[in-house]
Amino acid sequence: QSALTQPASVSGSPGQSITISCTGTSGDVGGYNYVSWYQQHPGKAPKLMIYDVTKRPSGVSNRFSGSKSGNTASLTISGLQADDEADYYCCSFAGSTTVFGGGTKLTVL
Amino acid sequence: QLQLQESGPGLVKPSETLSLTCTVSGGSISSSSYYWGWIRQPPGKGLEWIGSIYYSGSTYYNPSLKSRVIISVDTSKNQFSLKLSSVTAADTAVYYCTRHGGGLSRNFDYWGQGTLVTVSS
Repeated sequence: QSALTQPASVSGSPGQSITISCTGTSGDVGGYNYVSWYQQHPGKAPKLMIYDVTKRPSGVSNRFSGSKSGNTASLTISGLQADDEADYYCCSFAGSTTVFGGGTKLTVL
Repeated sequence: QLQLQESGPGLVKPSETLSLTCTVSGGSISSSSYYWGWIRQPPGKGLEWIGSIYYSGSTYYNPSLKSRVIISVDTSKNQFSLKLSSVTAADTAVYYCTRHGGGLSRNFDYWGQGTLVTVSS
């Protein structure tokens, strides 16, 4: 069982927007502004998409955005594209450790 | 362009020690701005942080694995290594070496391609 809770799957049509939630506790997501999000295509290493809740690394499309409210962080992808179909993982600093969510499979219909 | 590459045995026997090395190229492991870490992913499952090290040798580990893990660094070779002792089938996973920023940020911005380690007799 993962420390952070994500929906197992989400889906959307090209051009639409989707949001993936990541729920933790006051000991991780809620207690620090150090949530990151990763995209993973099959057979590939994860790729950093968002860090420190809202920051986007250089080269990542501005269609990807992050936010947080209380113990829940969210990743929003706007203008869905076929290549966005992948697994997405959230991650948070948690004091003495670092925790990940169980992952969400995004399907682009 | 920074590159990380894992190396080590792909098959380890139960109760033995898993040993992996990550070679960093295109940048110095001695940069004061970054930590170097290991993350694993069992087949078909999610990600698990194992631990991280600073070039000075300062380490911190996942409490659930701490009793079995040692991460070390060799700045002369621009490498860092993972040792996981007393392995079982539950340790079968793809192991990734990564880089993340200093402080509390968990921005794992560079990853190796990953190496599958299977624990089996």
